Amino acid sequence: AQSVTQLDSHVSVSEGTPVLLRCNYSSSYSPSLFWYVQHPNKGLQLLLKYTSAATLVKGINGFEAEFKKSETSFHLTKPSAHMSDAAEYFCVVKRSGSARQLTFGSGTQLTVLP
Amino acid sequence: DADVTQTPRNRITKTGKRIMLECSQTKGHDRMYWYRQDPGLGLRLIYYSFDVKDINKGEISDGYSVSRQAQAKFSLSLESAIPNQTALYFCATSDSGTGNEKLFFGSGTQLSVL
Repeated sequence: AQSVTQLDSHVSVSEGTPVLLRCNYSSSYSPSLFWYVQHPNKGLQLLLKYTSAATLVKGINGFEAEFKKSETSFHLTKPSAHMSDAAEYFCVVKRSGSARQLTFGSGTQLTVLP
Repeated sequence: DADVTQTPRNRITKTGKRIMLECSQTKGHDRMYWYRQDPGLGLRLIYYSFDVKDINKGEISDGYSVSRQAQAKFSLSLESAIPNQTALYFCATSDSGTGNEKLFFGSGTQLSVL
């Protein structure tokens, strides 16, 4: 079985300050991990993915995430928030070798204040 | 034009009615999926199809059916709509090759069942 927990349902930051969105996972197998972003009235878009290569993964729009097996975490960070980063973010875990076994977290709504 | 197109964007219906949500894609992907999104619950898989002759139930298929009319078309039907099927529905596609975990989403259909 696999699961993913996003520790914060809402995060607010000021423009220009760092962003941290937290995700813990549970998986009986070597997982693949992803972050997706959903802007208002849009479908989800892949930000980045971890598939057992480098533990620090860089994605689009300046986001990155670090896979920490000892902590079962995959937190998403960005050094400096921009107004356009305001969106909902989903952490996703996938069982290796299984294309359908995607488990989505409940989402974190990021607000960026001017 | 969007790669994954869902119609309609919004739908209001009454309890007991049969409705169909449609999805078409121009990405040439073999795999198509239907998800529903509920606030605080993330996305949950309803049905998925790996090719035209392959249809599989997801984690919450009760009360739904699907049809894969062609490689590019995958429709979702609610046989007899009920209020707890009020949700945001997403169609997604993925490639069957390496990197098949990257999903491409439509913009969603907001369904309200009264």
